[in-house]
Amino acid sequence: SQKIEQNSEALNIQEGKTATLTCNYTNYSPAYLQWYRQDPGRGPVFLLLIRENEKKRKERLKVTFDTTLKQSLFHITASQPADSATYLCALYTGFQKLVFGTGTRLLVSP
Amino acid sequence: DAGVIQSPRHEVTEMGQEVTLRCKPISGHNSLFWYRQTMMRGLELLIYFNNNVPIDDSGMPEDRFSAKMPNASFSTLKIQPSEPRDSAVYFCASSSGLAQDTQYFGPGTRLTVL
Repeated sequence: SQKIEQNSEALNIQEGKTATLTCNYTNYSPAYLQWYRQDPGRGPVFLLLIRENEKKRKERLKVTFDTTLKQSLFHITASQPADSATYLCALYTGFQKLVFGTGTRLLVSP
Repeated sequence: DAGVIQSPRHEVTEMGQEVTLRCKPISGHNSLFWYRQTMMRGLELLIYFNNNVPIDDSGMPEDRFSAKMPNASFSTLKIQPSEPRDSAVYFCASSSGLAQDTQYFGPGTRLTVL
């Protein structure tokens, strides 16, 4: 069956450290993948898009997408308490349709 | 732009009642999506429209759910009759079809069915 898995447990890290979030999937062949951030009581907000086997940097974000491993890694370097949120990966499955993972809650302590 | 607008923000109703959720997409966007989010199942796509036409409603749980998009600036999601298991946060999102299908989400409607 098709599945998208993200760390189900909350990720707790100290301010200044690098947070690494994973997104693994099975039985999908997405051309690209998106990452969204969701704060409590709000809708998800788009962060970035990454294509097959690409590596991308955007400010403190560093993201990879490996189609052989069927995995995307999302790193936040020099993390800050303001980075605390839930992060969702979303796979593009065709004609504007995205399938979302369940998300990973990140808590950055000062 | 005001972004995607949803109403109401909160809805509490009793089992068996009809519930109507409303969405105004971003002006100029040609695709609209309805999602439901719960702790157990995460964010699930219910239905989406392109140019006001329903394209994929395979995520609609059952016949109690229906959605319409009478024009480019308005959509509704109706649940009739509502059940306690429908309690969730319902999000509407819109997309321009450009920019690799980035979706812009509304603030959501928190529905509680007693």
